[in-house]
Amino acid sequence: GENVEQHPSTLSVQEGDSAVIKCTYSDSASNYFPWYKQELGKGPQLIIDIRSNVGEKKDQRIAVTLNKTAKHFSLHITETQPEDSAVYFCAASGAGSGGSNYKLTFGKGTLLTVNP
Amino acid sequence: ETGVTQTPRHLVMGMTNKKSLKCEQHLGHNAMYWYKQSAKKPLELMFVYNFKEQTENNSVPSRFSPECPNSSHLFLHLHTLQPEDSALYLCASSQVSHTEAFFGQGTRLTVV
Repeated sequence: GENVEQHPSTLSVQEGDSAVIKCTYSDSASNYFPWYKQELGKGPQLIIDIRSNVGEKKDQRIAVTLNKTAKHFSLHITETQPEDSAVYFCAASGAGSGGSNYKLTFGKGTLLTVNP
Repeated sequence: ETGVTQTPRHLVMGMTNKKSLKCEQHLGHNAMYWYKQSAKKPLELMFVYNFKEQTENNSVPSRFSPECPNSSHLFLHLHTLQPEDSALYLCASSQVSHTEAFFGQGTRLTVV
């Protein structure tokens, strides 16, 4: 099955700096790569995703890049703010056969702390 | 607010108790999921329901019993749990064959 590795496990940056979180996956059939943000006491919230037919996607201060050949993808947060502090999870999935639903495999998470 | 509501938010139960977790989604989705989130471990998929039918049981012990009466509601019945079952239990929903999953806020379960 799919295996997703995520690094680093903790990341501390100064407000205004950029943060980068990296993930690798093992199953070359995976074609969907979401990123979730989980704040304390809340469930994971989808913040951005990318599909295998795209190399990069950007949404304001957040961007995700995908290298299918190397089987890795990254989350980039620019101009970080204290409210960006949270645990970030990457995930990978492939569409099930016969139109059945996907299976998300998650990384272990990165605790991002943005210091004012 | 993601449109997925879980109750209760917190639950403490003894090993001989029986309790149930409830999940309701207001997004018109037709697939629902239970995940377990333990400290320092990845999110673990437990069960998948498509159109009320269970399509996946990820080797979950029988002391966890899911129920999906309709596409909007999902329950997780708990009995004779172990302390190691203490975790955050998350419900999610999506459209079948789509990929975006939306999570509830979870139930923090403590087994004593």
